[in-house]
Amino acid sequence: QSVLTQPPSVSGAPGRRVTISCTGSSSNIGADSDVHWYQQLPGTAPKLLIYGNSNRPSGVPDRFSGSKSGTSASLAITGLQAEDEAEYYCQSYDSSLSGVVFGGGTKLTVL
Amino acid sequence: EVQLVESGGGLVQPGRSLRLSCAASGFTFDDYAMHWVRQVPGKGLEWVSGITWNSGTVGYADFVKGRFTISRDNAKNSLYLQMSSLRAEDMALYYCAKDFGQQFYSMDVWGKGTTVTVSS
Repeated sequence: QSVLTQPPSVSGAPGRRVTISCTGSSSNIGADSDVHWYQQLPGTAPKLLIYGNSNRPSGVPDRFSGSKSGTSASLAITGLQAEDEAEYYCQSYDSSLSGVVFGGGTKLTVL
Repeated sequence: EVQLVESGGGLVQPGRSLRLSCAASGFTFDDYAMHWVRQVPGKGLEWVSGITWNSGTVGYADFVKGRFTISRDNAKNSLYLQMSSLRAEDMALYYCAKDFGQQFYSMDVWGKGTTVTVSS
């Protein structure tokens, strides 16, 4: 059971928009800890996609965006492409656990 | 080029020990916190342990506390994970990851991982 809760799967047609939610609690996201998002393509290491709730590292397309409100955060992907099919994870810091926490991951399928 | 290369994985019997290493290059190692993250094939990411830039703070997931020890040698640009009392459930791909900053924040560079197999 992950500390951060994500839907197991989402799907969307090419060109459409999807969102992935990440729900935490008052000891992590709600405690003002930033949320970060990672993309993991099959057979590869995770890649940082969004850091600090809404910032994109260089090289990440602006089709990817992040937001945070209260004890939750969201990753939005617009203009879906086949290459976006991957597993997506949210991550934050939990002050009660004094450690880093991940969501359980969301499998994105591009229909 | 910024790079992390893990080593030390392998087959180990339950109850035995193993030491993982991570060699860093292409960035100023002692400016950043570092982490170990593991992944069972087909499952999600699990943070195992982290260490701040100067080793002043270390953190562990509850499931490894008392069994694993993280350390770093800034002079050698290396990160380590000493694993003891290994269990079948510790079997996973172990990634070394660089933090964005000096404390525990986000992980902007990842290695390819080293596989730990725990079996008799």
